Amino acid sequence: DTGVSQDPRHKITKRGQNVTFRCDPISEHNRLYWYRQTLGQGPEFLTYFQNEAQLEKSRLLSDRFSAERPKGSFSTLEIQRTEQGDSAMYLCASSLLLGTVRDEQFFGPGTRLTVL
Amino acid sequence: ILNVEQSPQSLHVQEGDSTNFTCSFPSSNFYALHWYRWETAKSPEALFVMTLNGDEKKKGRISATLNTKEGYSYLYIKGSQPEDSATYLCAFNEGGKLIFGQGTELSVKP
Repeated sequence: DTGVSQDPRHKITKRGQNVTFRCDPISEHNRLYWYRQTLGQGPEFLTYFQNEAQLEKSRLLSDRFSAERPKGSFSTLEIQRTEQGDSAMYLCASSLLLGTVRDEQFFGPGTRLTVL
Repeated sequence: ILNVEQSPQSLHVQEGDSTNFTCSFPSSNFYALHWYRWETAKSPEALFVMTLNGDEKKKGRISATLNTKEGYSYLYIKGSQPEDSATYLCAFNEGGKLIFGQGTELSVKP
């Protein structure tokens, strides 16, 4: 399968614990995005990378959240000291920046986080 | 704060009905408008990327139009089938990052 993959698909944790999610983008894609979706809402942008550089972070991303893309390939999203409000679907997407407006983003299946 | 609105929030139709959804977005600084189809437990699937005013795109029974001057896009499904049941999302491309609407949940009954 050459699509975007995410691991794990589901994560249940207790409040205060740290969690880490992984995203493997489509291999030749140089941009990687993280979004978060809560019930009844559309996905919200969190952050994105071009190669290994983190270019933008949303105001939604508190200091408890950190994302990395160390070699410009896979990315990790870590949430420290989880809170119940962090319960959501975390989506990863990748795209190939061609220098045009197209920039089609391909999504993974998401990681569903439940904080008890 | 950039706002993308979709209507209706949900739609229940019978098999064979044709449907349409609306996405409204800011008409200034337009870059691109994306449509996605998201079935439960699957990845959001890209349907269209629309970039030019007056664009019309088609994929099978699904088509979309774009009006960047007035800030809206329509998605049409002709002859809905039960397998079309999903949430349809539009997203305004703000220099790379996507700003999504809340989605339209479509349910097609056989």
